[in-house]
Amino acid sequence: DQQVKQNSPSLSVQEGRISILNCDYTNSMFDYFLWYKKYPAEGPTFLISISSIKDKNEDGRFTVFLNKSAKHLSLHIVPSQPGDSAVYFCAALANAGGTSYGKLTFGQGTILTVHP
Amino acid sequence: DTGVSQDPRHKITKRGQNVTFRCDPISEHNRLYWYRQTLGQGPEFLTYFQNEAQLEKSRLLSDRFSAERPKGSFSTLEIQRTEQGDSAMYLCASSLAEKGEAFFGQGTRLTVV
Repeated sequence: DQQVKQNSPSLSVQEGRISILNCDYTNSMFDYFLWYKKYPAEGPTFLISISSIKDKNEDGRFTVFLNKSAKHLSLHIVPSQPGDSAVYFCAALANAGGTSYGKLTFGQGTILTVHP
Repeated sequence: DTGVSQDPRHKITKRGQNVTFRCDPISEHNRLYWYRQTLGQGPEFLTYFQNEAQLEKSRLLSDRFSAERPKGSFSTLEIQRTEQGDSAMYLCASSLAEKGEAFFGQGTRLTVV
């Protein structure tokens, strides 16, 4: 049961243009979402996150949008740079009104390639 | 370096052997997680600790797998009687319980031959 889905295995973008990575989830208990970036042979690196009480969070070139009604989030990278080429994972957490978070549930990942 | 540290980075072992991996989390983090990642997939949750208490275990964690965090600091993950299907990247992460963001180590790549 894939509760977090990234339906695009890969994305190719020209340097300077916008990269849009998408993620869908099915579990209504998820209320905190994160994006991680991963290079080969390394662990995932945290990029940006968003709580379900917001619909947008921005950090430099990275913006995450959350559409709760559609159970959909996206990561926008503007402008894209060749160094952004990596695998991007969407992840979700359930807090359910508690005060501590538990495990992350990850999507399958999207390979982003930014061409010079 | 104050990030999450994992040792070894790579391990090649023969089928049937036991292996043990170590993880040193970020020092002030009370939560420690183990994940497994195979090619083309996202990391899959195995287990996590708050301090020395193991709070949750995935059904992926068969009886051959055991994890400990004896003093609430570093953790070990042991796989007994390894099988070829255990070949994967084993990732450790740590966080503060009240924060959603977990920070990952570089992983241990296990190859069972």
